[in-house]
Amino acid sequence: QKEVEQNSGPLSVPEGAIASLNCTYSDRGSQSFFWYRQYSGKSPELIMFIYSNGDKEDGRFTAQLNKASQYVSLLIRDSQPSDSATYLCAVNLISSGSARQLTFGSGTQLTVLP
Amino acid sequence: DGGITQSPKYLFRKEGQNVTLSCEQNLNHDAMYWYRQDPGQGLRLIYYSQIVNDFQKGDIAEGYSVSREKKESFPLTVTSAQKNPTAFYLCASKPGQNTDTQYFGPGTRLTVL
Repeated sequence: QKEVEQNSGPLSVPEGAIASLNCTYSDRGSQSFFWYRQYSGKSPELIMFIYSNGDKEDGRFTAQLNKASQYVSLLIRDSQPSDSATYLCAVNLISSGSARQLTFGSGTQLTVLP
Repeated sequence: DGGITQSPKYLFRKEGQNVTLSCEQNLNHDAMYWYRQDPGQGLRLIYYSQIVNDFQKGDIAEGYSVSREKKESFPLTVTSAQKNPTAFYLCASKPGQNTDTQYFGPGTRLTVL
């Protein structure tokens, strides 16, 4: 089982729709959760972080965290073609060794169709 | 402008050569990281450093070396011992112990010819 798992997609949604991206993680003790957006050929840029159970909204983006079920999701409302990118989920969890490190999923490729 | 810079943007290497990738930050961040990304995959941690003159191996450190002589700089050397070095290399930094948020540089794309 991967430590941070995402559906690789591709996920296609029409312009104006809600895009829903999901991520599950293996370490029940994880406390920090991040969503990064990565355009093709570019480096990841931070979209949101969430630490507490529930929803966190920032503009068109909403992060949802459920620690009991060990999943975190990202909703993008009113999706735009400019949202087309790969979305990386990152979780601070215990990986190799004893230290907690930010561990990334393989990403979900999102395409917003005009 | 504050930020993280990586150079060069593209790098070509012949087999058997060592190459060094530069990473500099002027954000006064304590911790710095090197990741490798292969097509269609997530980021894998190579090395990280939480303070000057100290660094730790990540999940895939074999064939790589680093130094942290200055707070602002964390260069990565890809040695000839790295069997499959062609990849996108990303440097990141974070302010300190009280946050897990990492910020990324623009990356270096290394190709072995």
